[in-house]
Amino acid sequence: DTGVSQNPRHKITKRGQNVTFRCDPISEHNRLYWYRQTLGQGPEFLTYFQNEAQLEKSRLLSDRFSAERPKGSFSTLEIQRTEQGDSAMYLCASSLGDRGLDTEAFFGQGTRLTVV
Amino acid sequence: DQQVKQNSPSLSVQEGRISILNCDYTNSMFDYFLWYKKYPAEGPTFLISISSIKDKNEDGRFTVFLNKSAKHLSLHIVPSQPGDSAVYFCVGNQGGKLIFGQGTELSVKP
Repeated sequence: DTGVSQNPRHKITKRGQNVTFRCDPISEHNRLYWYRQTLGQGPEFLTYFQNEAQLEKSRLLSDRFSAERPKGSFSTLEIQRTEQGDSAMYLCASSLGDRGLDTEAFFGQGTRLTVV
Repeated sequence: DQQVKQNSPSLSVQEGRISILNCDYTNSMFDYFLWYKKYPAEGPTFLISISSIKDKNEDGRFTVFLNKSAKHLSLHIVPSQPGDSAVYFCVGNQGGKLIFGQGTELSVKP
C-alpha cells in the first residue's frame, strides 16, 4: 500500500498527558500537511512542510502543539499537556509539486484522539 | 474567519437526478479550487478541481462551475447515484495551502 499512513488510528489519553502521532506520506511527495477535524466541521489547517522545512503554522495552534519532519520523509505531531478540547480527528496529507501546480493532496485515514 | 463557506449542511436527492452543491469564498488569492469527498472513517479523497482562470471543468458525471465575480462555485453530479452519498468539501488552494469549507452531506436515495 503506497498511500498516506497514519499511526495510531485511535488514541485515548488522560487530560494532561502528552501524545505523539506519526504520518508516513506517499514516497517522493515533498509536501506534507496536518489538519484537525471536529464533528460537523471541515478539516482545519494546522501546519505544512515543504520537505523538512515547516512553511506555515496556523495561529490557532497553541504552543502545546509541535510538528516535525526531520528528514523530509515521515512527520510527527506532538500535543503536550492535552486538554479535552484537543479531542478530534487529526489528518495528515501529502502532495507533489510546489505552488499548487499539482493540486491534489492525498489524505490518510486519520488519528482519532479522545482526551478524557 | 471562514474563507470557504458551504451554507447547506445537508442535501437529499433522488437517484438519477442532479445534485448541486454550492460554495462561496471570500479569499481572492485562491489559485485553484477543489472538491473532496469523504466517507465515514476515511480520509477525504480528491474529486475534481478547477483553476481560478477557468469557469468550468468537467469529469464524467462531475462538473464544477466557477463564478469569480460572485466568488461562488458549484459542483454538479449528473446522474446522482446512491454511492455518491458522502460529505463533500469545497476547498480553496492558495499556493499549496488547502482551506476547507464545513462540508455538505449528500444523501442519494434509491
